[in-house]
Amino acid sequence: AQTVTQSQPEMSVQEAETVTLSCTYDTSESDYYLFWYKQPPSRQMILVIRQEAYKQQNATENRFSVNFQKAAKSFSLKISDSQLGDAAMYFCATLAPYSQKLVFGQGTRLTINP
Amino acid sequence: DAGVIQSPRHEVTEMGQEVTLRCKPISGHDYLFWYRQTMMRGLELLIYFNNNVPIDDSGMPEDRFSAKMPNASFSTLKIQPSEPRDSAVYFCASSDDRYNSPLHFGNGTRLTVT
Repeated sequence: AQTVTQSQPEMSVQEAETVTLSCTYDTSESDYYLFWYKQPPSRQMILVIRQEAYKQQNATENRFSVNFQKAAKSFSLKISDSQLGDAAMYFCATLAPYSQKLVFGQGTRLTINP
Repeated sequence: DAGVIQSPRHEVTEMGQEVTLRCKPISGHDYLFWYRQTMMRGLELLIYFNNNVPIDDSGMPEDRFSAKMPNASFSTLKIQPSEPRDSAVYFCASSDDRYNSPLHFGNGTRLTVT
């Protein structure tokens, strides 16, 4: 079974600075997918970024990038130039190949200080 | 594209009453998922459908919970009878049939059982 652990229940950062959210996971699969979702106060889950485990290059989406360390089973999210709109719960998730079952971590609440 | 549409947005009911949550997936999506979010357990997959057929309902907590998908554009999650511990946010999500395509979530239904 796959598990996802987010060890930081809460994080805060000053506006315009950089913050890194941690995520570790456990899986017996050699190939899988990893995701970061954002949940703002509006409650909707929004896909931020995803990474295929077979790709060594770290995924990036504008100000969002990941540091994927496959051997360490680590998948951290870096947010550069933090903006007030980035304030939200962030969930790390993993998906096994040929499976539609997304397994989520417990989430990290990110606060942006103006 | 209107996204995944859930109704109602909020539901307050008394213990013992029947509750029905509704979901309209994105047109053309073959997969539909029901998730439950609580503070204690985070996001849990309850059940998912492929082409209107239930594929995995191992996450459904009890026989009091049932889900149906009578057609490609509509699904319901029913709780009967409801209990206070069912209070949570229930999300519906959909995805297309491309390998490991991302989930698109609705805004969720916040259920409170008193």
